Amino acid sequence: DQQVKQNSPSLSVQEGRISILNCDYTNSMFDYFLWYKKYPAEGPTFLISISSIKDKNEDGRFTVFLNKSAKHLSLHIVPSQPGDSAVYFCAARSAGGTSYGKLTFGQGTILTVHP
Amino acid sequence: ETGVTQSPTHLIKTRGQQVTLRCSSQSGHNTVSWYQQALGQGPQFIFQYYREEENGRGNFPPRFSGLQFPNYSSELNVNALELDDSALYLCASSFGLAGRTDTQYFGPGTRLTVL
Repeated sequence: DQQVKQNSPSLSVQEGRISILNCDYTNSMFDYFLWYKKYPAEGPTFLISISSIKDKNEDGRFTVFLNKSAKHLSLHIVPSQPGDSAVYFCAARSAGGTSYGKLTFGQGTILTVHP
Repeated sequence: ETGVTQSPTHLIKTRGQQVTLRCSSQSGHNTVSWYQQALGQGPQFIFQYYREEENGRGNFPPRFSGLQFPNYSSELNVNALELDDSALYLCASSFGLAGRTDTQYFGPGTRLTVL
């Protein structure tokens, strides 16, 4: 049962253009959503997060949008840079219960930004 | 401020053996979570430790066990290793208060290969 899904395994974008990475979830108990970036041979690096009570959060070139009714979130990177090339993971945190703080991850999307 | 560190970086074991992986939390963090990342997949939650006690567990058998020490460092132990245990093991630390945890920051991971 995949509660967090990233349906695009890969995305290729030209430098300077916008990158849009998408994520869908099924569990209404998720209260917090995060995006992580991962380079080969490194652990995931936190990028940006959003609480379920908000619909947008911005940090520099990165913006995350949350559509609760559609159970969908997206990460926008603008302008995209070659150094953004990495695997991007969407993650969701469970609210309450015995596994509070547990992150459920999507499968990841490989972003390639071409110069 | 030191980040999350893990040791060893790589490890090769044979089926049936036991392994211990170690993690040092980021300064000021009191919560450690462990994740298993198989090739081509997102990280999967194993368990979380908050102030030296297990605070939630994912869908992993009892041969996966852990410890958290008074300095908030942590160990992951896996007994009776199976071939499918081959994966990248990630540790993440965060600050928790009464069971709520902030953003989790990941270490570089330990690559375990079971032959």
